[in-house]
Amino acid sequence: QSVLTQPPSASGTPGQKVTVFCSGSSSNIGSNTVNWYQQFPGTAPRLLIYSNDQRPSGVPDRFSGSKSGTSASLAISGLQSEDEADYYCAAWDDSLNGHWVFGGGTKLTVL
Amino acid sequence: QLHLQESGPGLVKPSETLSLTCTVSGGSISSSGYFWGWVRQPPGKGLEWIGSMYFSGRTYFNPSLKSRVTISVDTSNNQLLLHLRSVTAADTAVYYCVRRTSRYSSNIYAVWFDYWGQGSLVAVSS
Repeated sequence: QSVLTQPPSASGTPGQKVTVFCSGSSSNIGSNTVNWYQQFPGTAPRLLIYSNDQRPSGVPDRFSGSKSGTSASLAISGLQSEDEADYYCAAWDDSLNGHWVFGGGTKLTVL
Repeated sequence: QLHLQESGPGLVKPSETLSLTCTVSGGSISSSGYFWGWVRQPPGKGLEWIGSMYFSGRTYFNPSLKSRVTISVDTSNNQLLLHLRSVTAADTAVYYCVRRTSRYSSNIYAVWFDYWGQGSLVAVSS
């Protein structure tokens, strides 16, 4: 059971906007910034969003992140077939001397 | 461009110690401001942080693994080392080496894993 809660799956059709939510608590999302990672089968995760809403260079602006209270979300607009992947949220948790926590991952399917 | 490369045995017997090395190239593991660590992913499952270390010695560990984990840095070879003791089948996973970076801006302190190795699959089996 992951500390951060994500829906196991999400889907959308090309061109649509899809939002993936990540729910945490006061000791993690409520106190620290949230990051999102994209992972294709058989490859390492790739940083998609950092510090709640910042995109690294090379990440299309179709991807956006936000945070409110103890929840965060990743929005993908203008959905494309190549966006089909697993998406993970992550945050630092201040409890137990501090540790990283991840969401269980959301598998995005482009119909 | 920074590159992280994991290496080590692909098969470990139950109750033994899993040992992995992460070789960093394109940058120094002793660079100020960066933590280096490990994240693992069991087959078909999600990501789990194992622990992180600053080159000077400061470490953080996953509370559920802390009693079995040692992480160290070999600055002369620019390498990060992982030792996980008393392994079981539940430790079978792809192990990733990661770099944690940080930024303080507009009263917000943000941290994230910006570089990942390609991963090393370790199976625990007799």
